[in-house]
Amino acid sequence: AQSVAQPEDQVNVAEGNPLTVKCTYSVSGNPYLFWYVQYPNRGLQFLLKYITGDNLVKGSYGFEAEFNKSQTSFHLKKPSALVSDSALYFCAVRPPGNNRLAFGKGNQVVVIP
Amino acid sequence: NAGVTQTPKFQVLKTGQSMTLQCAQDMNHEYMSWYRQDPGMGLRLIHYSVGAGITDQGEVPNGYNVSRSTTEDFPLRLLSAAPSQTSVYFCASKPRQAGEGNTIYFGEGSWLTVV
Repeated sequence: AQSVAQPEDQVNVAEGNPLTVKCTYSVSGNPYLFWYVQYPNRGLQFLLKYITGDNLVKGSYGFEAEFNKSQTSFHLKKPSALVSDSALYFCAVRPPGNNRLAFGKGNQVVVIP
Repeated sequence: NAGVTQTPKFQVLKTGQSMTLQCAQDMNHEYMSWYRQDPGMGLRLIHYSVGAGITDQGEVPNGYNVSRSTTEDFPLRLLSAAPSQTSVYFCASKPRQAGEGNTIYFGEGSWLTVV
């Protein structure tokens, strides 16, 4: 069965500094990988996904993520964090041919002005 | 195009009461699912459906029932609410084709408190 690990509970970063949210996964075969963001009292919003091709994926709001097959990682990055990026971030994985998406526990990102 | 719509947004139940969380999507998605979100546990799959008339259990199905009589609607029923079912519930949908990396779209959530 697929699983996702987001090792940090909370990530604190100063505004303007680079932001990284870590994600590692376990799945059979080549995975589909996703990042979602959740603002307070809202649903999950899709940020980006990796299906195949270029390991560096660019998504919404200036975010990007790098797929690393050897390290089974899919870390989310943003070169310069904004206060408005403060939210809960979820990494998710799904193997091909399987509809079921497995989520990590989420990381709270706090961007300090 | 409203996407995935959930109602109610907030609900307080007494232990033992029953209720239904409604979910509707207008994107003609075959696949629909229900998740619950609890602090420190991420999202856990309750039930899912790959099309009208077809449902299956997810990771945490106990205490919940679902049905899928139409493509658009996928209600989640709590037959006898328990405090352990206090959570935030999310409905989600996507096109059925699992092999194409289709994105799952989420509703805005339903906050349920069982006292």
